[in-house]
Amino acid sequence: GAVVSQHPSWVICKSGTSVKIECRSLDFQATTMFWYRQFPKQSLMLMATSNEGSKATYEQGVEKDKFLINHASLTLSTLTVTSAHPEDSSFYICSARDLAGSSYEQYFGPGTRLTVT
Amino acid sequence: DAKTTQPTSMDCAEGRAANLPCNHSTISGNEYVYWYRQIHSQGPQYIIHGLKNNETNEMASLIITEDRKSSTLILPHATLRDTAVYYCIVSNNAGNMLTFGGGTRLMVKP
Repeated sequence: GAVVSQHPSWVICKSGTSVKIECRSLDFQATTMFWYRQFPKQSLMLMATSNEGSKATYEQGVEKDKFLINHASLTLSTLTVTSAHPEDSSFYICSARDLAGSSYEQYFGPGTRLTVT
Repeated sequence: DAKTTQPTSMDCAEGRAANLPCNHSTISGNEYVYWYRQIHSQGPQYIIHGLKNNETNEMASLIITEDRKSSTLILPHATLRDTAVYYCIVSNNAGNMLTFGGGTRLMVKP
C-alpha cells in the first residue's frame, strides 16, 4: 500500500519555541492531507484539512495562527506549532489520500510525539 | 457523517476469531463503513471498507446487516499482534475526512 511518512517521529521542545512537523506521501500524490491530534487514552481529533495550493481549513476550536499548515506540493504538508506550550504536548498524525489509486483508503503517517517542557 | 457506537473493550483468545460489532443506525445511503485499527503509539492502519455487501480481504471480513444499521469486523484467527484499538467509521467518501469515535480496545490473550 501507499506510504506516508512523518518527520520527526518525536520531538522535545521548550515552552515558547516553534516546532515544524513534516508529512510526506512517499509514492503517491495527495491533493488533500489531514492533520489529527491525539491525547493519551483518547481518540484522534481532526485539527485541519490541508489542500495543496490553498489555505487549510481548520476545525472549530483549533487556532489557525497557532497551528500553521502549509501544503506547498502534492507530496508534502507541514504543521508548525508556534509558541508551543505544555498543553500542546500530544501525538500529531497526518493522513493523505492517493489521487490516482482507490478513492476509499486514507493512508496515515506513523505520528509525531511532541513534548513541550 | 453518521455516528457509530462500539463496545469500549473486548478480549479474544489467540487463534480464535475476533468479532467486533459496530452500530451505525443513522447511516445514510451513500455512506460507507470503514474499519481502521491503531496499535499503540502508531498511526491508524486501514483494514477494510464496504457499502452494503459483505467484504473480505487478507486482513479481515466485514459483515454489514441488510438494513445497514450495524456491521461486524471479523478477524478469523486473532494473533497477539492484533491487539489494538479498532475504529468503525462511517463516511460518505466525498468529504474525505474521517471522524474517529472511541473505538474498541481489543486485547488478544495467549
